[in-house]
Amino acid sequence: AQSVTQPDIHITVSEGASLELRCNYSYGATPYLFWYVQSPGQGLQLLLKYFSGDTLVQGIKGFEAEFKRSQSSFNLRKPSVHWSDAAEYFCAVAVKSSGDKLTFGTGTRLAVRP
Amino acid sequence: GAGVSQSPRYKVTKRGQDVALRCDPISGHVSLYWYRQALGQGPEFLTYFNYEAQQDKSGLPNDRFSAERPEGSISTLTIQRTEQRDSAMYRCASAPPLGGEQFFGPGTRLTVL
Repeated sequence: AQSVTQPDIHITVSEGASLELRCNYSYGATPYLFWYVQSPGQGLQLLLKYFSGDTLVQGIKGFEAEFKRSQSSFNLRKPSVHWSDAAEYFCAVAVKSSGDKLTFGTGTRLAVRP
Repeated sequence: GAGVSQSPRYKVTKRGQDVALRCDPISGHVSLYWYRQALGQGPEFLTYFNYEAQQDKSGLPNDRFSAERPEGSISTLTIQRTEQRDSAMYRCASAPPLGGEQFFGPGTRLTVL
């Protein structure tokens, strides 16, 4: 079965600084890869997804992620963080043969210093 | 709106009571998924449907949990004889016919006293 590891539980960055959130997955083949964001009291919103093709994926709100097969990683990046980016971020994987059900990591909570 | 809706948004119940959580997916979405999210954790898969057929219920914790989607649209997740450990956020998501992205509803926060 697939699994997802997000090694950073909490991260604090200053507004305007760059951001990288780490995600590693475990699966024999290349799964579908996702990043979701959850703001307080809100549902899960998809930031970006990778199915195949170009390994650098652009998403909403200025986020991007890079799939690295050799490292089984799908790290999320943003060049300049805004205060409104404070939220919890979840990496997830899905396998087509399992009906696309998502397996989530435990999440990384991002705080932004003014 | 055109998004996934869930009701109720909040449910407080006493231990031993049955609860029914409802999910109304985006119109035209074939697949519907239920997840449970404990505090400080990521969502965990419970079950999913394609149309009205329950395809996978491997994530349901025990036989007190059941789900149905009788007409291939609205789904109900039922928890019988609730226990305190059932307290969590229950999330529903739907996906279009070709799969891929799942669209999540706002969730139902269940508290069992």
